[in-house]
Amino acid sequence: EVKLQQSGDELVRPGASVKISCKASGYTFTNYAMYWVKQSPGQGLEWIGTIIPLIDTTSYNQKFKGKATLTADKSSNTAYMELSRLTSEDSAVYYCARMENSSFAYWGQGTLVTVSS
Amino acid sequence: DTVLTQSPALAVSPGERVTISCRASESVSTLMHWYQQKPGQQPKLLIYLASHLESGVPARFSGSGSGTDFTLTIDPVEADDTATYYCQQSWNDPYTFGAGTKLELK
Repeated sequence: EVKLQQSGDELVRPGASVKISCKASGYTFTNYAMYWVKQSPGQGLEWIGTIIPLIDTTSYNQKFKGKATLTADKSSNTAYMELSRLTSEDSAVYYCARMENSSFAYWGQGTLVTVSS
Repeated sequence: DTVLTQSPALAVSPGERVTISCRASESVSTLMHWYQQKPGQQPKLLIYLASHLESGVPARFSGSGSGTDFTLTIDPVEADDTATYYCQQSWNDPYTFGAGTKLELK
């Protein structure tokens, strides 16, 4: 069974950074890209970027370049997303997801990031 | 970016048929997918590649369309279908989602 287990909710100060994890199980981690999606009340669902763990290649939605950095640790089957220089606009639920048939077939449970002083 | 336009909300009675539309600002071929999201949960894939039913999803759900116009049909609607439904395209970069259609049961 494919499972994507994300790290817990975060409360962070404006201007700080946060790193979210997504541990994959039930499949060969390096055989699939990992995607990250943001869900916020104002902007809905947005694709942030993608990492291909096998070759450590990333691609980003232009909107999130400079905001999000995607990495992957093949030894622990874990993908990471770091968000930097946080503002209130970054407060949202963040999901990792895996594709099948060009669609997001598997989702993590989501990590709520709240940016507040 | 490819903009996906959905009607914001619908209200139907159990047992009725409902169609939820999604219009793309440019062609996405058949790389359109539909998700159901209930409060506090992650989105759940219902339909992939415009018309293919995801494994485990009831056959009451169906999808159709190509190019710029797509529909998700639920027939018959059940009480448990109360949720927000999103379309999403993966033909053009960046991948984009519709704003969602909130389905309420009367």
